[in-house]
Amino acid sequence: QSVLTQPPSASGTPGQRVTISCSGSSSNIGSNTVNWYQQLPGTAPKLLIYSNSQRPSGVPDRFSGSKSGTSASLAISGLQSEDEADYYCATWDDSLNGQGVFGIGTKVTVL
Amino acid sequence: QVQLVQSGAEVKKPGASVKVSCKASGYTFTDYYMHWVRQAPGQGLEWMGWINPKNSGTNYAQKFQDRVTMTGDTSISTAYMELSRLRSDDTAVYYCAKGYCTGGNCYWGAFDIWGQGTMVTVSP
Repeated sequence: QSVLTQPPSASGTPGQRVTISCSGSSSNIGSNTVNWYQQLPGTAPKLLIYSNSQRPSGVPDRFSGSKSGTSASLAISGLQSEDEADYYCATWDDSLNGQGVFGIGTKVTVL
Repeated sequence: QVQLVQSGAEVKKPGASVKVSCKASGYTFTDYYMHWVRQAPGQGLEWMGWINPKNSGTNYAQKFQDRVTMTGDTSISTAYMELSRLRSDDTAVYYCAKGYCTGGNCYWGAFDIWGQGTMVTVSP
């Protein structure tokens, strides 16, 4: 069980906008920035969003992130078939002497 | 190019230890924290801890505090993660991941380069 709550699944048709939520608490999302990862089947995770809303070089601007209070969200606009993957939110938790925490992951299906 | 190359798959018996290596190339090894993350079959990601290769400082997740040791060899730009007293539920893919820094800032929880993963199977 993770301290960060994500919906287990989300779906959309090509071209649609899909949003994934990530809910935490004051000790993690409430006091730290949020990062998002995409994991394609059988591969290592890839950093999609860092510091709540920033994209590393090479990440398409179809991916956007936001944070408000103790929740964050990832939006994928113009959904494409290659976006079918697992998505994880991640942040730091200031309790327990500080440690990294991940959400349980959301499987995005392109219908 | 910047990359992390991990050691190969391991099969261990319960109670044994495993040591996974992660060789960095394409960047200055001592300039970035190295994190370890694992993923059990069909499950999500789990952060295990970090090591600062510059001074060998470490921080482990409380869950692994008494069983994990992270070390680094700066002469060969390689980080290691050793997990002892293995149990069947330690069966997972273990990843090393480089901490992400840009513009003079480092971002906790952001890992921009990942190793290919090392499958560790614990079975009698």
